Amino acid sequence: GDSVTQMEGPVTLSEEAFLTINCTYTATGYPSLFWYVQYPGEGLQLLLKATKADDKGSNKGFEATYRKETTSFHLEKGSVQVSDSAVYFCALSDEGGSYIPTFGRGTSLIVHP
Amino acid sequence: GAVVSQHPSWVICKSGTSVKIECRSLDFQATTMFWYRQFPKQSLMLMATSNEGSKATYEQGVEKDKFLINHASLTLSTLTVTSAHPEDSSFYICSAIHLMGSNQPQHFGDGTRLSIL
Repeated sequence: GDSVTQMEGPVTLSEEAFLTINCTYTATGYPSLFWYVQYPGEGLQLLLKATKADDKGSNKGFEATYRKETTSFHLEKGSVQVSDSAVYFCALSDEGGSYIPTFGRGTSLIVHP
Repeated sequence: GAVVSQHPSWVICKSGTSVKIECRSLDFQATTMFWYRQFPKQSLMLMATSNEGSKATYEQGVEKDKFLINHASLTLSTLTVTSAHPEDSSFYICSAIHLMGSNQPQHFGDGTRLSIL
Protein backbone atom coordinates (compact mmCIF):
# COMPACT_ATOMS: atom_id res chain seq x y z
CA GLY A 1 0.00 0.00 0.00
CA ASP A 2 0.88 3.66 -0.06
CA SER A 3 3.19 5.03 2.60
CA VAL A 4 5.02 8.23 3.50
CA THR A 5 8.23 8.36 5.50
CA GLN A 6 9.45 11.55 7.12
CA MET A 7 12.60 12.30 9.02
CA GLU A 8 12.17 12.13 12.75
CA GLY A 9 12.14 15.27 14.77
CA PRO A 10 12.36 17.48 16.49
CA VAL A 11 14.41 19.60 14.16
CA THR A 12 15.90 22.48 16.13
CA LEU A 13 17.29 25.49 14.29
CA SER A 14 18.31 29.04 14.94
CA GLU A 15 16.45 31.83 13.22
CA GLU A 16 17.58 32.44 9.61
CA ALA A 17 19.01 28.93 9.29
CA PHE A 18 18.34 26.74 6.25
CA LEU A 19 15.66 24.09 6.67
CA THR A 20 15.30 20.70 5.04
CA ILE A 21 12.72 18.14 6.11
CA ASN A 22 13.04 14.91 4.19
CA CYS A 23 10.04 13.02 2.86
CA THR A 24 9.99 9.88 0.73
CA TYR A 25 7.01 7.90 -0.43
CA THR A 26 5.83 4.66 -1.94
CA ALA A 27 2.73 4.56 -4.08
CA THR A 28 1.16 2.28 -6.63
CA GLY A 29 0.16 4.97 -9.08
CA TYR A 30 1.09 8.57 -9.79
CA PRO A 31 0.29 10.36 -6.57
CA SER A 32 -0.16 13.99 -5.78
CA LEU A 33 2.06 15.16 -2.94
CA PHE A 34 1.33 17.64 -0.19
CA TRP A 35 2.93 19.36 2.76
CA TYR A 36 0.67 20.40 5.63
CA VAL A 37 1.60 22.47 8.68
CA GLN A 38 0.07 22.21 12.13
CA TYR A 39 0.58 25.04 14.59
CA PRO A 40 0.16 24.26 18.30
CA GLY A 41 -3.42 23.51 19.26
CA GLU A 42 -4.73 23.87 15.72
CA GLY A 43 -5.76 21.70 12.81
CA LEU A 44 -3.66 21.22 9.70
CA GLN A 45 -3.25 23.77 6.94
CA LEU A 46 -2.15 23.04 3.41
CA LEU A 47 1.30 24.54 2.90
CA LEU A 48 2.02 23.47 -0.67
CA LYS A 49 1.38 20.73 -3.18
CA ALA A 50 2.66 19.19 -6.40
CA THR A 51 0.63 17.01 -8.70
CA LYS A 52 3.18 15.59 -11.15
CA ALA A 53 6.83 14.78 -11.50
CA ASP A 54 9.25 17.75 -11.48
CA ASP A 55 6.55 20.13 -10.24
CA LYS A 56 7.71 22.52 -7.55
CA GLY A 57 5.24 23.61 -4.92
CA SER A 58 5.98 26.83 -3.06
CA ASN A 59 4.35 29.00 -0.42
CA LYS A 60 5.51 31.40 2.31
CA GLY A 61 9.15 30.82 1.38
CA PHE A 62 8.83 27.02 1.59
CA GLU A 63 9.51 24.87 -1.45
CA ALA A 64 9.32 21.20 -2.35
CA THR A 65 10.02 19.48 -5.67
CA TYR A 66 8.30 16.28 -6.76
CA ARG A 67 11.16 13.89 -7.59
CA LYS A 68 9.79 10.74 -9.14
CA GLU A 69 13.21 9.17 -9.67
CA THR A 70 13.99 9.32 -5.97
CA THR A 71 10.33 9.16 -4.81
CA SER A 72 10.95 12.20 -2.66
CA PHE A 73 9.30 15.50 -1.80
CA HIS A 74 11.68 17.23 0.58
CA LEU A 75 10.57 20.48 2.19
CA GLU A 76 13.04 23.39 2.18
CA LYS A 77 13.19 26.97 3.34
CA GLY A 78 16.15 29.26 2.97
CA SER A 79 15.73 31.24 6.18
CA VAL A 80 13.42 30.07 8.93
CA GLN A 81 11.68 32.28 11.45
CA VAL A 82 10.49 31.64 14.99
CA SER A 83 6.93 31.73 13.65
CA ASP A 84 7.69 28.69 11.49
CA SER A 85 7.83 26.53 14.62
CA ALA A 86 5.17 23.88 14.04
CA VAL A 87 4.70 20.27 13.02
CA TYR A 88 5.02 19.54 9.31
CA PHE A 89 3.27 16.60 7.66
CA CYS A 90 4.07 15.15 4.26
CA ALA A 91 1.13 13.44 2.56
CA LEU A 92 0.14 11.79 -0.69
CA SER A 93 -3.11 11.07 -2.47
CA ASP A 94 -3.19 8.29 -5.01
CA GLU A 95 -5.71 6.50 -7.17
CA GLY A 96 -4.31 3.23 -5.86
CA GLY A 97 -5.33 4.33 -2.39
CA SER A 98 -8.77 5.42 -3.54
CA TYR A 99 -7.59 9.00 -3.11
CA ILE A 100 -7.70 8.71 0.66
CA PRO A 101 -4.69 10.74 1.78
CA THR A 102 -1.78 9.01 3.46
CA PHE A 103 0.16 11.05 6.01
CA GLY A 104 3.67 10.80 7.32
CA ARG A 105 4.26 10.83 11.07
CA GLY A 106 5.02 14.54 11.13
CA THR A 107 8.23 16.40 11.90
CA SER A 108 8.35 18.96 14.66
CA LEU A 109 10.33 22.11 13.88
CA ILE A 110 11.55 24.35 16.69
CA VAL A 111 13.15 27.65 15.73
CA HIS A 112 15.02 29.61 18.37
CA PRO A 113 15.60 33.38 18.21
CA GLY B 1 -9.73 30.04 0.68
CA ALA B 2 -11.85 27.10 1.68
CA VAL B 3 -12.78 27.05 5.34
CA VAL B 4 -13.84 24.22 7.57
CA SER B 5 -15.32 25.00 10.94
CA GLN B 6 -15.13 22.46 13.73
CA HIS B 7 -17.08 22.84 16.96
CA PRO B 8 -16.55 22.69 19.86
CA SER B 9 -12.83 23.33 20.11
CA TRP B 10 -12.55 21.97 23.64
CA VAL B 11 -14.75 19.61 25.64
CA ILE B 12 -14.32 18.42 29.20
CA CYS B 13 -16.94 16.00 30.46
CA LYS B 14 -17.59 13.12 32.82
CA SER B 15 -17.09 9.49 31.95
CA GLY B 16 -20.20 7.96 30.40
CA THR B 17 -21.25 11.13 28.61
CA SER B 18 -21.84 11.20 24.87
CA VAL B 19 -20.15 14.03 23.00
CA LYS B 20 -21.02 15.36 19.56
CA ILE B 21 -18.48 17.16 17.39
CA GLU B 22 -19.58 19.11 14.32
CA CYS B 23 -17.61 19.72 11.16
CA ARG B 24 -18.92 22.24 8.65
CA SER B 25 -17.61 23.34 5.30
CA LEU B 26 -18.38 27.04 5.11
CA ASP B 27 -17.84 27.98 1.50
CA PHE B 28 -17.88 24.77 -0.50
CA GLN B 29 -19.80 21.53 -0.78
CA ALA B 30 -17.90 18.73 0.87
CA THR B 31 -18.62 15.50 -0.94
CA THR B 32 -16.29 13.66 1.40
CA MET B 33 -15.27 14.31 4.98
CA PHE B 34 -12.63 12.57 7.04
CA TRP B 35 -12.36 12.14 10.80
CA TYR B 36 -8.96 11.76 12.41
CA ARG B 37 -7.68 11.16 15.89
CA GLN B 38 -4.34 12.52 16.97
CA PHE B 39 -2.43 11.48 20.07
CA PRO B 40 0.17 13.82 21.57
CA LYS B 41 3.21 14.25 19.37
CA GLN B 42 1.92 11.70 16.89
CA SER B 43 0.54 11.73 13.40
CA LEU B 44 -3.07 11.67 12.35
CA MET B 45 -4.90 8.37 12.59
CA LEU B 46 -7.72 8.13 10.08
CA MET B 47 -10.84 6.91 11.83
CA ALA B 48 -13.41 7.03 9.07
CA THR B 49 -14.35 8.44 5.71
CA SER B 50 -17.86 9.73 5.18
CA ASN B 51 -19.65 10.60 1.99
CA GLU B 52 -22.78 12.68 2.00
CA GLY B 53 -25.90 10.57 2.22
CA SER B 54 -24.20 7.25 2.79
CA LYS B 55 -22.77 5.29 5.68
CA ALA B 56 -19.28 6.07 6.82
CA THR B 57 -16.41 3.74 6.03
CA TYR B 58 -14.49 2.98 9.20
CA GLU B 59 -10.83 2.04 9.39
CA GLN B 60 -9.85 -1.25 10.89
CA GLY B 61 -9.92 -1.20 14.66
CA VAL B 62 -12.31 1.75 14.97
CA GLU B 63 -15.55 0.85 16.74
CA LYS B 64 -18.54 1.91 14.67
CA ASP B 65 -20.89 1.85 17.63
CA LYS B 66 -18.50 3.92 19.69
CA PHE B 67 -17.83 6.60 17.12
CA LEU B 68 -21.04 7.44 15.29
CA ILE B 69 -20.59 9.46 12.13
CA ASN B 70 -23.36 11.22 10.28
CA HIS B 71 -22.93 13.13 7.03
CA ALA B 72 -26.44 14.29 6.36
CA SER B 73 -25.67 17.22 4.10
CA LEU B 74 -22.94 18.47 1.82
CA THR B 75 -21.79 20.95 4.44
CA LEU B 76 -22.09 19.08 7.73
CA SER B 77 -20.69 15.93 9.25
CA THR B 78 -20.90 14.99 12.92
CA LEU B 79 -18.89 12.62 15.07
CA THR B 80 -20.54 11.40 18.25
CA VAL B 81 -18.36 9.69 20.84
CA THR B 82 -20.85 7.55 22.73
CA SER B 83 -20.44 6.76 26.41
CA ALA B 84 -17.01 8.34 26.43
CA HIS B 85 -14.31 7.07 28.78
CA PRO B 86 -10.91 8.49 29.73
CA GLU B 87 -9.17 6.44 27.04
CA ASP B 88 -11.23 8.34 24.45
CA SER B 89 -9.51 11.56 25.45
CA SER B 90 -7.69 12.83 22.40
CA PHE B 91 -7.53 15.52 19.74
CA TYR B 92 -10.10 14.90 17.02
CA ILE B 93 -9.73 16.61 13.66
CA CYS B 94 -12.07 16.65 10.71
CA SER B 95 -11.27 17.50 7.13
CA ALA B 96 -13.35 18.04 4.03
CA ILE B 97 -12.75 17.68 0.36
CA HIS B 98 -14.84 18.97 -2.51
CA LEU B 99 -14.26 16.24 -5.02
CA MET B 100 -12.24 13.09 -4.52
CA GLY B 101 -9.26 13.15 -6.77
CA SER B 102 -5.55 12.85 -6.52
CA ASN B 103 -4.82 16.58 -6.73
CA GLN B 104 -7.38 17.71 -4.22
CA PRO B 105 -6.03 18.93 -0.89
CA GLN B 106 -7.99 18.47 2.28
CA HIS B 107 -9.28 21.42 4.23
CA PHE B 108 -8.99 20.86 7.96
CA GLY B 109 -10.93 22.07 10.92
CA ASP B 110 -9.04 23.41 13.91
CA GLY B 111 -9.67 20.26 15.90
CA THR B 112 -11.52 19.37 19.08
CA ARG B 113 -9.67 18.53 22.24
CA LEU B 114 -11.73 16.01 24.17
CA SER B 115 -10.93 15.38 27.82
CA ILE B 116 -12.92 12.73 29.68
CA LEU B 117 -12.67 12.81 33.46
